[in-house]
Amino acid sequence: AQKITQTQPGMFVQEKEAVTLDCTYDTSDQSYGLFWYKQPSSGEMIFLIYQGSYDEQNATEGRYSLNFQKARKSANLVISASQLGDSAMYFCAMREGGGGADGLTFGKGTHLIIQP
Amino acid sequence: DAMVIQNPRYQVTQFGKPVTLSCSQTLNHNVMYWYQQKSSQAPKLLFHYYDKDFNNEADTPDNFQSRRPNTSFCFLDIRSPGLGDAAMYLCATSTRLNSNQPQHFGDGTRLSIL
Repeated sequence: AQKITQTQPGMFVQEKEAVTLDCTYDTSDQSYGLFWYKQPSSGEMIFLIYQGSYDEQNATEGRYSLNFQKARKSANLVISASQLGDSAMYFCAMREGGGGADGLTFGKGTHLIIQP
Repeated sequence: DAMVIQNPRYQVTQFGKPVTLSCSQTLNHNVMYWYQQKSSQAPKLLFHYYDKDFNNEADTPDNFQSRRPNTSFCFLDIRSPGLGDAAMYLCATSTRLNSNQPQHFGDGTRLSIL
């Protein structure tokens, strides 16, 4: 079974609109972390936002916010007021366990295209 | 300023010819990771070092090896590259202090096999 599921392979959004990228996860650990990364066509992975399993508040970082619904095991990324530069691949990833050394498990990604 | 540096950005090698990819970091992080990302796929963890302790993923082929001579540098060696090893290879670092620390990625090395 997939640990991270991103159901939207591709999305087209008009500039300045808000966009929600879906992510559901599967883990039996009580302690885990959820991350969103942006990967432009040039290839680098850019960290956007983090949500811990014990965090009671939804994470926010500038135009990015995370809609965390623990009971539903979902961690959707919301981008407000989208810009042309937001066009990229977006990956949801999870680190299981309480340690910081473990690697990330990534979803298959969503290719977001912002149209003028 | 780049904090995780991967060289080269593009690497071309021949089928079966050993190749080494390098990664250096200025963050003084004690954990370094190597991921393989094939075209249109998610990054997949190959292995990681926690200080000098090497941790191999169960399904990483024996063809892939890694070395970490010091805190700053980590190398990925592919002993006999096959056509299926053509991919983007991403190096990342993090601290072990807390699980909320993001991994910092380099720009990647795109490997082509002739």
